Amino acid sequence: EIVLTQSPGTLSLSPGERATLSCRASQSVSSNYIAWYQQKPGQAPRLLIYGASSRATGIPDKFSGSGSGTDFTLSISRLEPEDFAGYYCQQYGSSPLSFGGGTKVEIK
Amino acid sequence: QVQLQESGPGLVKPSGTLSLTCDLSGDSISSSNWWTWVRQPPGKGLEWIGEINHSGNTNYSPSLKSRVTISVDKSKNQFSLRLSSVTAADTAVYYCARGSHKGFDYWGQGTLVIVSS
Repeated sequence: EIVLTQSPGTLSLSPGERATLSCRASQSVSSNYIAWYQQKPGQAPRLLIYGASSRATGIPDKFSGSGSGTDFTLSISRLEPEDFAGYYCQQYGSSPLSFGGGTKVEIK
Repeated sequence: QVQLQESGPGLVKPSGTLSLTCDLSGDSISSSNWWTWVRQPPGKGLEWIGEINHSGNTNYSPSLKSRVTISVDKSKNQFSLRLSSVTAADTAVYYCARGSHKGFDYWGQGTLVIVSS
């Protein structure tokens, strides 16, 4: 069973700044099947990135994913007010699937 | 356009069974995707419950495996979740989602289930 650890738990930044979120897996993720989701209060998660670095349909290029093996990163350039939200990584390369504990990006 | 919609009781008594259905439109339950349930306790993170494909093959979270059953109804283009022997710890928003090599690309809006007498 793969455990995903996200850091930091909370990220306090100002609009216009760049956000860098980390997701570390307890073992190598098969086929780099890592996804990132954005979730706003009262809403379902929204897929941002799949396969560690591919943007989902309709996702702007200010969101980018990178990494391989056990270390993965989500970067958000030029934070806008609508980007302040919760972010989760997920591995779907092997069962049981698992999510990280999440990172909250809040306005500083 | 793919849409998923959860339905079921919003209140379940302790020791009872939670039953939810996910209605699918814009895709076929018989397609090559995996049909998934995820839950989120109030104020907490996402937890994967399990998944099923069109052939009826299932995978479950080890922590819930003894209490969970996911099934598919091809005639209604829907899939279902049953969670038995519920306690207050099972209170959560339950989501259904479509899974593929692109992760979970479509989600239902979620339904809150409260376990309380």
